Amino acid sequence: EVQLVESGGGLVQPGGSLRLSCAASGFTFSSYDMHWVRQATGKGLEWVSAIGTAGDTYYPGSVKGRFTISRENAKNSLYLQMNSLRAGDTAVYYCARGVGRWFDPWGQGTLVTVSS
Amino acid sequence: DIQLTQSPSFLSASVGDRVTITCRASQGISSYLAWYQQKPGKAPKLLIYAASTLQSGVPSRFSGSGSGTEFTLTISSLQPEDFATYYCQQLNSYPFTFGPGTKVDIK
Repeated sequence: EVQLVESGGGLVQPGGSLRLSCAASGFTFSSYDMHWVRQATGKGLEWVSAIGTAGDTYYPGSVKGRFTISRENAKNSLYLQMNSLRAGDTAVYYCARGVGRWFDPWGQGTLVTVSS
Repeated sequence: DIQLTQSPSFLSASVGDRVTITCRASQGISSYLAWYQQKPGKAPKLLIYAASTLQSGVPSRFSGSGSGTEFTLTISSLQPEDFATYYCQQLNSYPFTFGPGTKVDIK
């Protein structure tokens, strides 16, 4: 069974840093693009970052320069390093597998709260 | 960036109703559009990809159509488990963007 499990969320002060992890199982992790998507409470979905099988990375303007996506294929793991965090970054963060261009499946999410 | 709009943002329907949700893109995205279903407290689930291809395991009452800038998601006969929020997503070019969502509620 394909499974994605996020971890690393928590409470952090504005300006702080946090590293999220996503543990993958049930598929050949190195063969797939991977993504992070976030959702603030009661709001819609926002794509946050992507990493290709060759390690190429992509970000929207809202996080570019602050967030870094990476992967460790030997550990079947995806990461999101988040720096200079703001209140607006408060959200549930999901990792998702890219199948072709589509996102399937998604993990259960990990909550990040940026507050003093 | 490509912007997506969805209409309606909210709809109230009864079991057995036919429901149609529209997603419009600010520029042409060919058929690089997906539809996701999200229930409260759960992760989104892929329903339709490439605008009209049903994901494996998704009931056939769901269908998608369109290309270019206008797309639709149709539920032919709404079932109790279909009450959820539906999002479209464009994957034509980065940054990938989502529509604002359509909440389908019980009438």
